[in-house]
Amino acid sequence: DAKTTQPNSMESNEEEPVHLPCNHSTISGTDYIHWYRQLPSQGPEYVIHGLTSNVNNRMASLAIAEDRKSSTLILHRATLRDAAVYYCILRRSSGTQGGSEKLVFGKGTKLTVNP
Amino acid sequence: DAGITQSPRHKVTETGTPVTLRCHQTENHRYMYWYRQDPGHGLRLIHYSYGVKDTDKGEVSDGYSVSRSKTEDFLLTLESATSSQTSVYFCAIRGDRLTSYEQYFGPGTRLTVT
Repeated sequence: DAKTTQPNSMESNEEEPVHLPCNHSTISGTDYIHWYRQLPSQGPEYVIHGLTSNVNNRMASLAIAEDRKSSTLILHRATLRDAAVYYCILRRSSGTQGGSEKLVFGKGTKLTVNP
Repeated sequence: DAGITQSPRHKVTETGTPVTLRCHQTENHRYMYWYRQDPGHGLRLIHYSYGVKDTDKGEVSDGYSVSRSKTEDFLLTLESATSSQTSVYFCAIRGDRLTSYEQYFGPGTRLTVT
């Protein structure tokens, strides 16, 4: 499985934008880029995903480099509730049973939001 | 919130005893997963299911078995618990549609094996 590299930790101030980077230099053409986050004492939560084009949803934006070897999760205005561990994951479909679309979690980036 | 519950939420057991964790969903989703989370390792996939009675192994399946006799329940069994299985266990579900990419996670079960 292709691997991702993320900084161990980042800090931000409340109300400011946050850019969380992810490197995935061995990404293949069929790998989707997914982001999940995990708030303290909770299960992971889906944030956003994309393949080639930049994506926006109500939680965040995902900017994907043209060569797809890196991506950035953008939180437009960080709040204290955004303090969490953010995981960048490559999802590859095996195309067989479908459930083989396993998520391989790395250690993620721990985001601290300062008031 | 996706309708996923896990039981028990906390359990302390002794080495060598059998333990069964239950994941229950009300979404009628086809795919279900069991992960474990340990400090320094992130989440690792134990087993997953792609339908009733259809299961397969993940990356850390040794010492674990699963069963899915009905759509809504996915059971994880530790036949003989060991201290290395002390962990937080998360269940996840995923929808059937090709565009159902996201997995929804339960609240977790904290298991301590003494």
